[in-house]
Amino acid sequence: DSGVTQTPKHLITATGQRVTLRCSPRSGDLSVYWYQQSLDQGLQFLIQYYNGEERAKGNILERFSAQQFPDLHSELNLSSLELGDSALYFCASSVEGSANYGYTFGSGTRLTVV
Amino acid sequence: SQKIEQNSEALNIQEGKTATLTCNYTNYSPAYLQWYRQDPGRGPVFLLLIRENEKEKRKERLKVTFDTTLKQSLFHITASQPADSATYLCALPPDSNYQLIWGAGTKLIIKP
Repeated sequence: DSGVTQTPKHLITATGQRVTLRCSPRSGDLSVYWYQQSLDQGLQFLIQYYNGEERAKGNILERFSAQQFPDLHSELNLSSLELGDSALYFCASSVEGSANYGYTFGSGTRLTVV
Repeated sequence: SQKIEQNSEALNIQEGKTATLTCNYTNYSPAYLQWYRQDPGRGPVFLLLIRENEKEKRKERLKVTFDTTLKQSLFHITASQPADSATYLCALPPDSNYQLIWGAGTKLIIKP
């Protein structure tokens, strides 16, 4: 157990639907990062939050949004889902706003859009 | 922009031998470089971080080197075991240092 909790582990939904993925960072970590990993593809950075504020944005689609709450958990909202959104979505956390001490990843949410 | 190159072909190594994986980057030299292990369907696990002023770092059977002249990091696993089979990712910060740029990873297969 890495200390980063992601729910749900698996999600199957239809095209056009909206889903919410949840992440609780490791205790003491202030920063949360969201990544997408499609089959046999590398990690694609989506967005980072630090202590409730958006810190950096990557290749995140306009159909996707995220937020970090006062208790530091984060949610990634994916809407108007398309088949191509099927992927593993990882959340990672770090103690500060940079990667200076490495990231701790959760076990991911596998999203299947049918 | 900064790019990372890792050998996309799987690396097959006999058990007990040393496995060496390569991470090359373009453009500027980063302040540090990290290595992670990823098993299928699981999140990456942080292994080692090496800073630009460090030539070499060790952790148990793992050794990482960082050559800023060659713009390259080498990741070694000595006395390799089948349990070391996984994909290994290198990552480094862009100029903002707020998040990481990731290589595509090299799949390592240790044969008994």
